[in-house]
Formats: sequence, structure tokens, C-alpha cells
Amino acid sequence: QKEVEQNSGPLSVPEGAIASLNCTYSDRVSQSFFWYRQYSGKSPELIMSIYSNGDKEDGRFTAQLNKASQYVSLLIRDSQPSDSATYLCAVNRATDKLIFGTGTRLQVFP
Amino acid sequence: EAQVTQNPRYLITVTGKKLTVTCSQNMNHEYMSWYRQDPGLGLRQIYYSMNVEVTDKGDVPEGYKVSRKEKRNFPLILESPSPNQTSLYFCASSLLRTGGHLSTGELFFGEGSRLTVL
Repeated sequence: QKEVEQNSGPLSVPEGAIASLNCTYSDRVSQSFFWYRQYSGKSPELIMSIYSNGDKEDGRFTAQLNKASQYVSLLIRDSQPSDSATYLCAVNRATDKLIFGTGTRLQVFP
Repeated sequence: EAQVTQNPRYLITVTGKKLTVTCSQNMNHEYMSWYRQDPGLGLRQIYYSMNVEVTDKGDVPEGYKVSRKEKRNFPLILESPSPNQTSLYFCASSLLRTGGHLSTGELFFGEGSRLTVL
């Protein structure tokens, strides 16, 4: 079992829709969780961090964390073609190490 | 402008020829890390450093060395490169703590160095 699992996609959504990206993790004592966006040929860019159970909103992005289910998700409202990218989930173990999932490719079509 | 600078951005080399990929950040970050990114395997951590003179292995350290003599610099050294080290390499940095949380997951990434070992 991978430590951080994501569906590789592609996830295709129409412009204006809500894109829902999911991530599960195996280390129950993980403490902090992150979503990165990576455009093709570019470096990852942090878009959300979440440390407590519940929802955290930032603009069109909402991160949701459920530690009991070991599940973290990212919702993108009013999806735009410019949101088309690979989204990486990352989890900090109780140690200092950050583990990345392999990413979900999102395609937003006009 | 806040940035993490890696050099070289592209390199083709041959097996066994020592090389160094430099990484420098101008944000006074304590934490720095190297990752490699390979298709289907995602980003995997090679080495990281919590501060000057403090380094530790990540998940795939074999064949690599690092040093942290100054806060801003964290070079990655391949003493004897092999073809299985052909990859896209990213250097990243962050503050150690933000708002009471360990913030080593809030990374700023460099633009990447694409290395090919023949």
C-alpha cells in the first residue's frame, strides 16, 4: 500500500463546474497535509495547507481533512481551463519527512 | 523576488563523471530538501536539511551526497552518476515553523534540473 494514494486521472470537468480531488494516506499519525499544483513542465506550487480536521477555504479552493478516515480532499469551485494541471497531495509524517502522492491530472474543458 | 535557484537546468553527462547541482534560496529558510521526480513514481525525497550543518536522508539517498555549509545553499552531489539517476530534480525550501506548526511541507520549489546520464 502506498503511503499517499491519489487517482491518477485524468479527471475531466466542464468549465464552471466543481472539481473534486481526493487523497488517502496510510500513516495514522500524520499531522499536516498539503495540496500542490504542477503545470506540465513546471515545478510544483503550494496552493493549500491544512492541519486540523474540517474545511479550509481559500478563494475558489477548499481543502477538507478527515483524520479518522485518513482522507484529504481538494475542491475547486468554478473550475477554469487555467486550472488544468496535475494536483499533488502531500503528507507530513510524524517525522520531518514529506511524502507526495503521484498526483491527479485535472482537465477543465471549455 | 523570493526564489529558489537551481543550476544547471539541463545537463547530459556520462556514467561516472562527478557532478554537482547547486541550489540557492534567498528567503532565509531553515529547511531545504532535494526531490527527484520520475514518471509513475512521483516526487521522492533524496535528502533534506533542517538547518546549517544538519542533513538527513530522505527515501532515496543512495548515490547522492549533500552539504549545508551556509543557510542559503544546499548543493546535491552525484559522485559517480549512473543511468538510473536520470531524472528531473527539484530543490525546495521552507521555514521550519509557521504559526506553531511544523511548516516543512509548505515548500517553495526551484524550477528543476533535468539530468540525463548516458
